Amino acid sequence: KAGVTQTPRYLIKTRGQQVTLSCSPISGHRSVSWYQQTPGQGLQFLFEYFSETQRNKGNFPGRFSGRQFSNSRSEMNVSTLELGDSALYLCASSTGVPGRNEQFFGPGTRLTVL
Amino acid sequence: GQNIDQPTEMTATEGAIVQINCTYQTSGFNGLFWYQQHAGEAPTFLSYNVLDGLEEKGRFSSFLSRSKGYSYLLLKELQMKDSASYLCAVRDDKIIFGKGTRLHILP
Repeated sequence: KAGVTQTPRYLIKTRGQQVTLSCSPISGHRSVSWYQQTPGQGLQFLFEYFSETQRNKGNFPGRFSGRQFSNSRSEMNVSTLELGDSALYLCASSTGVPGRNEQFFGPGTRLTVL
Repeated sequence: GQNIDQPTEMTATEGAIVQINCTYQTSGFNGLFWYQQHAGEAPTFLSYNVLDGLEEKGRFSSFLSRSKGYSYLLLKELQMKDSASYLCAVRDDKIIFGKGTRLHILP
């Protein structure tokens, strides 16, 4: 079974630009969560999508948005990039079924904002 | 508020045992996870606890006390490859991660 894939793996942008990151979950998984990881803050929850609906949202500004398609693939978008958005963005997929529901992480997209 | 605390760094010797503690304060509780993350890699799942008690899986064990808001991850017979960050995470309506404990293994 293929794992979680994320594209692109690396990205360099400048302040004010926008970026779209993509995540393909494990086949059969309907839940996709996005996280931002920085050395100082650790893993911070951005949002979770399940069956094309946003199920939960973290405490990030409205510049961060996402969506999920009918095939469970998900994208996240960051508009008006700021230097502080430089981070590793991780996507995790799970079945979405309540209970023991471990997440499987993709390799991440390393975003650098100059 | 939501808060998960774990030590920032720990050091242990190859072949020894180490216990990594995690305390949490969350509005709800639907399970606690431990993940391992090697430098430059994505986190990988280690364990899940939802009921009080000890869950053992090979060299790794995880303990939970819901009344105390406390968990620990126990690593036995430490190997050099266990050098990594260990992340404690709690699910209420979403999964909240601690900042991780960086474990250094000395030969």
